[in-house]
Amino acid sequence: AQSVTQLGSHVSVSEGALVLLRCNYSSSVPPYLFWYVQYPNQGLQLLLKYTTGATLVKGINGFEAEFKKSETSFHLTKPSAHMSDAAEYFCAVSGNGAGSYQLTFGKGTKLSVIP
Amino acid sequence: DAGVTQSPTHLIKTRGQHVTLRCSPISGHKSVSWYQQVLGQGPQFIFQYYEKEERGRGNFPDRFSARQFPNYSSELNVNALLLGDSALYLCASSVSHNQPQHFGDGTRLSIL
Repeated sequence: AQSVTQLGSHVSVSEGALVLLRCNYSSSVPPYLFWYVQYPNQGLQLLLKYTTGATLVKGINGFEAEFKKSETSFHLTKPSAHMSDAAEYFCAVSGNGAGSYQLTFGKGTKLSVIP
Repeated sequence: DAGVTQSPTHLIKTRGQHVTLRCSPISGHKSVSWYQQVLGQGPQFIFQYYEKEERGRGNFPDRFSARQFPNYSSELNVNALLLGDSALYLCASSVSHNQPQHFGDGTRLSIL
């Protein structure tokens, strides 16, 4: 079984400040990990993914995340927040094996950016 | 290139009715998955189809069913609608079962 915990349902940062959204996962097999962003009344857009290889992955819009197996974490960061980053962010895990067809999502973190 | 398209965008039904939601995947994508997103929650996996066969099913009652057609489009059917079925239903497609999924904008289903 897999699960995802996103710490903080709501995070507020000032424009230009560091963005840090936390994600911890549980998986019985080596995981594939993803971050998605959802703007109001829209579907989910893939920001970045980790499958194998380099543990620091870079995504779109200046976001990056680091896979830390020992901490079972996959936190999302961006050095400088922009107003357009205000949205809801979802961390997801997918099994790397027989169960690889299914994404398990966290409950999401709503990011607000203060001018 | 066209992304994942879903229809209708909004739908209002009453309890006990039946609904069919439709999804067209990105061209070349053979896998389609369905998710239910209740307000304030993350999406929950309902079904995955790959090459027209069901490859996975989430923890949803038998009132939920789906199928994939030869052109890889898909339908999600829900019978005997309950108030709790009110949600955003998301379709996602991918090249194969373990590739990143690309989501449509969803169908917002409201049950009165």
